[in-house]
Amino acid sequence: EDKVVQSPLSLVVHEGDTVTLNCSYEVTNFRSLLWYKQEKKAPTFLFMLTSSGIEKKSGRLSSILDKKELFSILNITATQTGDSAIYLCAPKGGGSNYKLTFGKGTLLTVNP
Amino acid sequence: NAGVMQNPRHLVRRRGQEARLRCSPMKGHSHVYWYRQLPEEGLKFMVYLQKENIIDESGMPKERFSAEFPKEGPSILRIQQVVRGDSAAYFCASSSGQVKAATNEKLFFGSGTQLSVL
Repeated sequence: EDKVVQSPLSLVVHEGDTVTLNCSYEVTNFRSLLWYKQEKKAPTFLFMLTSSGIEKKSGRLSSILDKKELFSILNITATQTGDSAIYLCAPKGGGSNYKLTFGKGTLLTVNP
Repeated sequence: NAGVMQNPRHLVRRRGQEARLRCSPMKGHSHVYWYRQLPEEGLKFMVYLQKENIIDESGMPKERFSAEFPKEGPSILRIQQVVRGDSAAYFCASSSGQVKAATNEKLFFGSGTQLSVL
């Protein structure tokens, strides 16, 4: 069965800190990996990674994929209170090229 | 710039009633996916539809659940004779279906419908 493990499950930091969120996966026929930010309810798309070692960046957020070791990390530098959310990792694969398998997420709380 | 629209945001039903959840994909998107999020769990795939076609319903319970995406109008997820265990957040996502390699398709999610069964 496809499996996604995110760590830590929750994290509390102060504004300005840098955080690293981890995602390890076991997915058959891996295609790509997506990161989402879930505030209140709607998961918002952040990144899609398809190749190992190529860092994707968007402002203070960056992410990288290691297809050999089957993990991805999401980095957030100079955190702000608005970064408080659940961050979801979702590899695509499992016998299809469209099905996402989600982890339980990392709950990030950024205190002022 | 309307994103994926779901309604209602909250739905309360008594055991045995029917629940109908609606999803309008992003403009220009023709592929719709439904996911369910139980408390303390990750989102789980339920069904993948294109216009007038169910492509993959492997994540749907065999009984009481059905989904459609008609030629006109929103996609509907229908749950008949709801039970307490159906209480969850139901999310719809859409993609364009236009990217050559489906691997590179990005899914965009709606805000979900929180179903509560009393």
